[in-house]
Amino acid sequence: EAGVTQFPSHSVIEKGQTVTLRCDPISGHDNLYWYRRVMGKEIKFLLHFVKESKQDESGMPNNRFLAERTGGTYSTLKVQPAELEDSGVYFCASSQIGENEQFFGPGTRLTVL
Amino acid sequence: QKEVEQNSGPLSVPEGAIASLNCTYSDRGSQSFFWYRQYSGKSPELIMFIYSNGDKEDGRFTAQLNKASQYVSLLIRDSQPSDSATYLCAVRRRNYGQNFVFGPGTRLSVLP
Repeated sequence: EAGVTQFPSHSVIEKGQTVTLRCDPISGHDNLYWYRRVMGKEIKFLLHFVKESKQDESGMPNNRFLAERTGGTYSTLKVQPAELEDSGVYFCASSQIGENEQFFGPGTRLTVL
Repeated sequence: QKEVEQNSGPLSVPEGAIASLNCTYSDRGSQSFFWYRQYSGKSPELIMFIYSNGDKEDGRFTAQLNKASQYVSLLIRDSQPSDSATYLCAVRRRNYGQNFVFGPGTRLSVLP
């Protein structure tokens, strides 16, 4: 069974540019989560999808971040325009409904110059 | 005060020894507690989770939970060099949905 995959693994962009991160959850997992870890800090929750619906987006830092999960399969997280403080590792995780274990992807390392 | 605190380490133990990793949390409404292991540059992977006060054992790993003291720990018996990694404590709080609050992680180094 394939795990959670994320693309790209690394992205380097300049301040003011736009970046889109993609997450493909484990097949059949209706729960999809985005987290991020900025330099020297702990992993922080961004938002949670159940299928295509946003269940909880309380962790989204501001309106420069837009997450979508059309069709309830893969998800994208767009940052527009990117700022220096957006640099970090963005993790995606998925789980089945009713299950506690969240399976994490390898993360996308975003560097904003 | 951070919601979930861990000693950042590094914690160094000799091969074969018991490694003890500690985590404290501030929200008394926290319901479930998870230990993840993360190798450098890799994704966090779940080791075990615990809901109830007391001990829970899985192979060489034992999770201990004390809700009165708001404390959860992970013991690794017969530590191996392959256990060297960062260990993340994650907490799920009541009424805060399904997301985790993570601690900063403790870096463990098992010396051969």
